[in-house]
Amino acid sequence: EIVLTQSPAALSVSPGEKATLSCRASQSVRNNLAWYQQKPGQAPRLVIHGASTRATGIPARFSGSGSGTEFTLTISSLQSEDFGVYFCQQYSQWPPDYTFGQGTKLQIK
Amino acid sequence: QLQLQESGPGLLKPSETLSLTCSVPGGSFSSSDNFWGWIRQSPGKGLEWIGSLFYETIYSTASLRSRVIISLDTSRQHLSLRLTSVTAADTAVYYCARLVSEHGDDHRWFDPWGQGIQVTVSS
Repeated sequence: EIVLTQSPAALSVSPGEKATLSCRASQSVRNNLAWYQQKPGQAPRLVIHGASTRATGIPARFSGSGSGTEFTLTISSLQSEDFGVYFCQQYSQWPPDYTFGQGTKLQIK
Repeated sequence: QLQLQESGPGLLKPSETLSLTCSVPGGSFSSSDNFWGWIRQSPGKGLEWIGSLFYETIYSTASLRSRVIISLDTSRQHLSLRLTSVTAADTAVYYCARLVSEHGDDHRWFDPWGQGIQVTVSS
């Protein structure tokens, strides 16, 4: 099983500032990594797939980077609606054995 | 935008079988290139992939493999999850989701997700 470790566990950022979230895989997943945003009481929402491709409707202030074992989600100018928990997920294996990180809680300062 | 909706009992007793369905309000599961999965989320274990259905083959996480059945009924337009012999450890919010890929290959992520349904196992 590929273990995904996210850091930090929690992050508090002021509006307009940059937020940087990290996800590390226990072995290479190439670029087969997605990021999701989850708000309280809601289902996760896809933000990034393929490590760097924004999902439909996701603002350009969200960007993903990395490959192999190290990945980053960056929110360039934080807006109040960007709060929530962000999860990474790998989908590199066949047969599938999808795994998720434990999440980073992003709070607006 | 595709919407998914889970339904089923919210409370079960230990050793019972969990049966959930996922439907597409006003739509269907009929596209041949669409694949589907179930994920659950609990405070203790975070997000956990349960299993996915590719054509007629079920793939599931090793720890649940012996207890999971996933099926797709296109005529009745719902995706089903059955989890047998539940225990308190199966208490979680359960989500269904579509599996999508950029190039139609085997590397797929989840989008969209259903709203989720809370399932509690308690005697």
